Amino acid sequence: EVVLTQSPATLSLSPGERATLSCRASQSDSNYLAWYQQKPGQAPRVLIYDASNRATGIPARFSGSGSGTDFTLTISSLESEDFAVYYCQLRSIWPPMYTFGQGTKLEIK
Amino acid sequence: QVQLVQSGAEVKKPGASVKVSCRASGYTFKSYDINWVRQAAGQGLEWMGWMNPNSGNTGYAQKFQGRVTMTRDTSIRTAYMELSSLRSDDTAVYYCARGGMAAVFDLWGQGSLVTVSS
Repeated sequence: EVVLTQSPATLSLSPGERATLSCRASQSDSNYLAWYQQKPGQAPRVLIYDASNRATGIPARFSGSGSGTDFTLTISSLESEDFAVYYCQLRSIWPPMYTFGQGTKLEIK
Repeated sequence: QVQLVQSGAEVKKPGASVKVSCRASGYTFKSYDINWVRQAAGQGLEWMGWMNPNSGNTGYAQKFQGRVTMTRDTSIRTAYMELSSLRSDDTAVYYCARGGMAAVFDLWGQGSLVTVSS
């Protein structure tokens, strides 16, 4: 079973700074890697799918990259509404299942 | 509008079962998988399984095999997740989520809090 490890657990940055979040898979199964943002009291929202494709309505400051076992979410210039928890998610081909990382909390410095 | 609306909060005793519903509107219910994800307070997201509303086919995370059952009623565009033999560590918010394009979870319900307490 694939394990996703996100780092860092907490990232403290200021508005306008660049954020780089990492997600590493214990084994390579697919590039069906997605990123979600979750704010307190809300359901998650998909940002990126297939490692690098922005979901509908997601601002261009969010970008995803990577393949194999190493993936990255980059927020080019942080806005106040970006401070939240971010999860990566991998869809395995066989057996068909999903795994989430443990999350990275992006907090205001 | 396009949405998933879940049933309300539940309080259950250890050993009991809970059944959470997820009603779809604004899109073709049979065309997209429904997944279930739970989140304990202050914790991360945990995928529980998926169901194809058209065929009724399901796939469950190994952790929940034997304890979870996902079903649907297409006549009322509603998916269900039943979890049995509840324990205190099953206390969590349970979400349904649509598996959209590229199988990502592009539409989420509002969440249903299930509390397991004696």
